[in-house]
Amino acid sequence: AQSVTQLDSHVSVSEGTPVLLRCNYSSSYSPSLFWYVQHPNKGLQLLLKYTSAATLVKGINGFEAEFKKSETSFHLTKPSAHMSDAAEYFCVVSDPMDSSYKLIFGSGTRLLVRP
Amino acid sequence: DTGVSQDPRHKITKRGQNVTFRCDPISEHNRLYWYRQTLGQGPEFLTYFQNEAQLEKSRLLSDRFSAERPKGSFSTLEIQRTEQGDSAMYLCASSLTGADVGYFGAGTRLSVL
Repeated sequence: AQSVTQLDSHVSVSEGTPVLLRCNYSSSYSPSLFWYVQHPNKGLQLLLKYTSAATLVKGINGFEAEFKKSETSFHLTKPSAHMSDAAEYFCVVSDPMDSSYKLIFGSGTRLLVRP
Repeated sequence: DTGVSQDPRHKITKRGQNVTFRCDPISEHNRLYWYRQTLGQGPEFLTYFQNEAQLEKSRLLSDRFSAERPKGSFSTLEIQRTEQGDSAMYLCASSLTGADVGYFGAGTRLSVL
């Protein structure tokens, strides 16, 4: 079965410093991996998606993630945090062999950005 | 294209009452998904539709839950005889095809007193 583990429930950074949100996945074969962001009272928004093309995936708002098969990781990074990045972030996996394409979410990492 | 719309945004009900939520997907999206998100957790899959056909239901979807998508457009999720454990955010997502990115609505927050 596919699953993802988000290693930190909370991450706190200062504005202008790098962001690292960690995610490990479990999959029998090459999965589709995503990062979604959830701002209060707003719908989940896709940041980026990996589907076995380039291992370094660039997303919106300056975020990127690197797929590392040897480490079964898909960490999310951003060079410089902005106050507007404060939100809940979800690492998500989908089984490309499952015709439902349902998403399996991690438990989330809350990013706090200090001024 | 106004995105995925969910109604109501908030619902407060008493235990034992029935509630119904509505989801309007992005126009022409064939796939529609329902997820449930409890406090401090990521969303969990409940069920999905391909057009009007309900193709999969999670074990989380007890007999008290029923979902429909008549005519393959909007969908409703009904919970009968609500329990306090049903309190959660109910999210709807739609996609053009299964492999496409899913777009989420803002959700319906249910509180069962």
